[in-house]
Amino acid sequence: DIQMTQSPSTLSASVGDRVTITCRASQSISTWLAWYQQKPGEAPKLLIYKASSLESGVPSRFSGSGSGTEFTLTIRSLQPDDFATYYCQQYHSYIRTFGQGTKVEIK
Amino acid sequence: EVQLVESGGGLVQPGGSLRLSCAASGFSFSNYHMNWVRQAPGKGLEWISYIGSVSSTIYYADSVKGRFTISRDNARDSLYLQLNSLRAEDTAVYYCARATWDGASDFWGQGTLVTVSS
Repeated sequence: DIQMTQSPSTLSASVGDRVTITCRASQSISTWLAWYQQKPGEAPKLLIYKASSLESGVPSRFSGSGSGTEFTLTIRSLQPDDFATYYCQQYHSYIRTFGQGTKVEIK
Repeated sequence: EVQLVESGGGLVQPGGSLRLSCAASGFSFSNYHMNWVRQAPGKGLEWISYIGSVSSTIYYADSVKGRFTISRDNARDSLYLQLNSLRAEDTAVYYCARATWDGASDFWGQGTLVTVSS
């Protein structure tokens, strides 16, 4: 199975900060990667698909990049609504594994 | 409006069974592949199963293979997950999610909690 490793596990940041989360795959997944945001008690929400395509309705301060085995999610200017946990997921393989998550906390 | 509503969760003893349902509305269900994803309390997301739009393609995570069965009824706009031989580690919120053309999950239900305990 393809393993997905996110870093950091927890990130402390302030409103207005630029935030970057990294996701590494154990083997090449081309650009078959999605990013999700999850808030406590809520279902995950799709932010980015195909590594860099912004899902409809998602603010443009979110962006994704990368291919192969290394990917990043960037939040250009962190807003109060962005404090949440973020997950990457690969769908190159039929076993569609998630990263362990990155919690973005208020500094 | 796209909606996915899970049901069927509850408390079950180890070794027991449950059948989860996911009722879809607001889109042409028969045209979409679907996933089940679970989340143990305080833990991350775990993909567990996928079914193609006409049930011709089905995949499972190793953690549930041989115990869980995914199915769908396109006439009823419904997705199912049969959970057998349940273990304490199966305790989780179970989400159904719609798969996009490329495989990401763009709409999720609110989840249904399965608790496996004696």
